[in-house]
Amino acid sequence: KAGVTQTPRYLIKTRGQQVTLSCSPISGHRSVSWYQQTPGQGLQFLFEYFSETQRNKGNFPGRFSGRQFSNSRSEMNVSTLELGDSALYLCASRAGGGEGGELFFGEGSRLTVL
Amino acid sequence: GENVEQHPSTLSVQEGDSAVIKCTYSDSASNYFPWYKQELGKGPQLIIDIRSNVGEKKDQRIAVTLNKTAKHFSLHITETQPEDSAVYFCAAHAATGGFKTIFGAGTRLFVKA
Repeated sequence: KAGVTQTPRYLIKTRGQQVTLSCSPISGHRSVSWYQQTPGQGLQFLFEYFSETQRNKGNFPGRFSGRQFSNSRSEMNVSTLELGDSALYLCASRAGGGEGGELFFGEGSRLTVL
Repeated sequence: GENVEQHPSTLSVQEGDSAVIKCTYSDSASNYFPWYKQELGKGPQLIIDIRSNVGEKKDQRIAVTLNKTAKHFSLHITETQPEDSAVYFCAAHAATGGFKTIFGAGTRLFVKA
């Protein structure tokens, strides 16, 4: 069974640009979550999608958005990039939509903003 | 909002010694507490988890304890090995207020051979 796939793995952008990151969950998983990982800050929750619906959003500005498609694949978008957006963006999928359960993470998309 | 605090941020032990990482959570509705291990260049991977109706769980050299009253939970690794060197994250999940898992800031564990 293929794991969670994130593309691109690495990208470099300049301030003011926008970026779209893609995540393909494990087959059959309907819940997809996104996290931002920076040194010393751990994993900061961005949003969670289940069956194309955003069920929760973390404390990030409106420049961060996402969506989920009918095949459960998900994308996140960051507009008007700032230097502080440089981070590893991790996507995780989960089999169920209820309480708890293992998150399966991809290897992340490392974004550098210059 | 929900918060998970994790200590220490860095831990260095000698091979064969035990390692303990402690976490506290703020949301009393949290009912699921996983621990993840992240190796260099990889995404985090679940190593053990515990639900709120259980006080302790063990899996070979790894154990987790939960004190719901104090909102504390801890990871214990015994007989540490160099391959245990990684970053460990505790997390708490609550179904109320949406379905999200909140992570601690991580502990970088070094096991010296």
